[in-house]
Amino acid sequence: GAVVSQHPSRVICKSGTSVKIECRSLDFQATTMFWYRQFPKQSLMLMATSNEGSKATYEQGVEKDKFLINHASLTLSTLTVTSAHPEDSSFYICSARGLGTSGGYNEQFFGPGTRLTVL
Amino acid sequence: QKEVEQNSGPLSVPEGAIASLNCTYSDRGSQSFFWYRQYSGKSPELIMFIYSNGDKEDGRFTAQLNKASQYVSLLIRDSQPSDSATYLCADSRGGGNKLTFGTGTQLKVEL
Repeated sequence: GAVVSQHPSRVICKSGTSVKIECRSLDFQATTMFWYRQFPKQSLMLMATSNEGSKATYEQGVEKDKFLINHASLTLSTLTVTSAHPEDSSFYICSARGLGTSGGYNEQFFGPGTRLTVL
Repeated sequence: QKEVEQNSGPLSVPEGAIASLNCTYSDRGSQSFFWYRQYSGKSPELIMFIYSNGDKEDGRFTAQLNKASQYVSLLIRDSQPSDSATYLCADSRGGGNKLTFGTGTQLKVEL
């Protein structure tokens, strides 16, 4: 149980284009989804927290107009990197927490990640 | 001051030995604590969580929590080369709050 998928697993795009990444909870309803970014040999950096049906809460320093997050249903959240540039190249990982996944101890289950390369 | 601190390592242990991974946290309001394993190029995988003082065992893994010292550890018994990965410690205030991750400790289990 508690399986989270992400699509695509890897994407290469040209500078200036937009890229959409999907995060799905496959066997539970994700009331909250989180988006992280991880640069090589660094730890996870939380970008935003997304609650179903609400606007995402962005961490300090993360541009909400550049990283658009939508959590329109209890099983799907999307992250759109708009006007991507080479410095946006990173490993983007979503995680989900929700009904039926925990005993209330807040554990998050991670998707497999999306490796974005902007040329 | 970092909220969750871990030694970056690498921590090298021989196969079959006990690996001990340590983590300290600064938020006395933290209620639950998590250990994740992350292989290179992959996303984190939950190993276990703990919320009460003392030990919690799951197979070869034992998590230890000492709230008075604000200290969490993970012991891996009979370490295997497949345990070689980065281990991330995280805490949470609970109640739907986000997790705060440490920078991770790289573990190398050598043949």
